[in-house]
Amino acid sequence: DAKTTQPPSMDCAEGRAANLPCNHSTISGNEYVYWYRQIHSQGPQYIIHGLKNNETNEMASLIITEDRKSSTLILPHATLRDTAVYYCIVRRETGYALNFGKGTSLLVTP
Amino acid sequence: DTAVSQTPKYLVTQMGNDKSIKCEQNLGHDTMYWYKQDSKKFLKIMFSYNNKELIINETVPNRFSPKSPDKAHLNLHINSLELGDSAVYFCASSQEQRGGLETQYFGPGTRLLVL
Repeated sequence: DAKTTQPPSMDCAEGRAANLPCNHSTISGNEYVYWYRQIHSQGPQYIIHGLKNNETNEMASLIITEDRKSSTLILPHATLRDTAVYYCIVRRETGYALNFGKGTSLLVTP
Repeated sequence: DTAVSQTPKYLVTQMGNDKSIKCEQNLGHDTMYWYKQDSKKFLKIMFSYNNKELIINETVPNRFSPKSPDKAHLNLHINSLELGDSAVYFCASSQEQRGGLETQYFGPGTRLLVL
């Protein structure tokens, strides 16, 4: 699976949009981009995934560049409960493990 | 209603002991996993089972032995516990779906402390 690069930490004011970038320049055509997050002391939680097109669900939006070498997770109106470590993961096969990197520690401040 | 549950939540034990951690999922998934999160917060896969068969076995000491009595359960037995085994162990499960979606659902974790 392709390697990903994320900034180690970011801050965001409550109510503002949080934009979390991820670089995956070695991504292959059949690899998906997944985002998970881990709130302190809890198990990781799925957020969203995509292949080529931008995706949106009730939690977030995922913007994937046309060349697919990078993506951005957008939390449109961050709340204090969104403070967590966010992991960008690229993977090919289903049924296989997630390769968690170091992720981005997002701190949402009042 | 808990989707993926683990017991115990906390486990404190002495070096050299043998202990087990249990995991159960009520989602009807056919794949289950064990991950280990160390003190530096790195989360790494240990094992994966699909329909009770081992499909992933990372470089984990053979003191760790997973056991899957049925699709809904994946237990982790650890022999001769060492200080370095102290970590948080997460169980997860998943089911392949169309469109490449395969959400993994994680349990709350078991915090193991070896003294």
